[in-house]
Amino acid sequence: EAGVAQSPRYKIIEKRQSVAFWCNPISGHATLYWYQQILGQGPKLLIQFQNNGVVDDSQLPKDRFSAERLKGVDSTLKIQPAKLEDSAVYLCASSLISGIYGEQFFGPGTRLTVL
Amino acid sequence: SQQGEEDPQALSIQEGENATMNCSYKTSINNLQWYRQNSGRGLVHLILIRSNEREKHSGRLRVTLDTSKKSSSLLITASRAADTASYFCATDEGTNAGKSTFGDGTTLTVKP
Repeated sequence: EAGVAQSPRYKIIEKRQSVAFWCNPISGHATLYWYQQILGQGPKLLIQFQNNGVVDDSQLPKDRFSAERLKGVDSTLKIQPAKLEDSAVYLCASSLISGIYGEQFFGPGTRLTVL
Repeated sequence: SQQGEEDPQALSIQEGENATMNCSYKTSINNLQWYRQNSGRGLVHLILIRSNEREKHSGRLRVTLDTSKKSSSLLITASRAADTASYFCATDEGTNAGKSTFGDGTTLTVKP
């Protein structure tokens, strides 16, 4: 079974530029998550989708971050404009079900460096 | 907001020894999960323990949960160099089932 795919794996941009990340979850997984992981810290949930609806985006900086999951499958996360503090690894995860027993499967992440 | 906090922040042991990591959390949970992260394989789910369970085993891993103390521990027995990684606990809280809140992890180094 293919895992969670993410692209690009690495991205370097200058501050105030825009960037987009793509995630393809495991086939059939209804729930999709985007996390931000700053070096030395644990992953922080940015947004959670159930199919193509948003379940939780309370920690998404909505003035600069946006995410969508069209047709309940692939998802994109965009940052516009980027700030230095956005330098982090952006992880996508998916789970078969949303609920108290849903194991999350993580992609390899996209390492973003903002100069 | 951070829920789980791992202790210690860093741990260094010799191959063959046991490693114990602890996780404390603040509010009631539905379940608690442990994940491992290394550069080779990314973030991988290890084990899930439900709030009504007290102990769970998976291979060389043993997880305990004490809901009265709001704490969990992960024991890795007979450690190997390949166990070198960061270990995170993640709690699923009652308000949003499926939302996991991660701690900042314990970095384990196993010396050959």
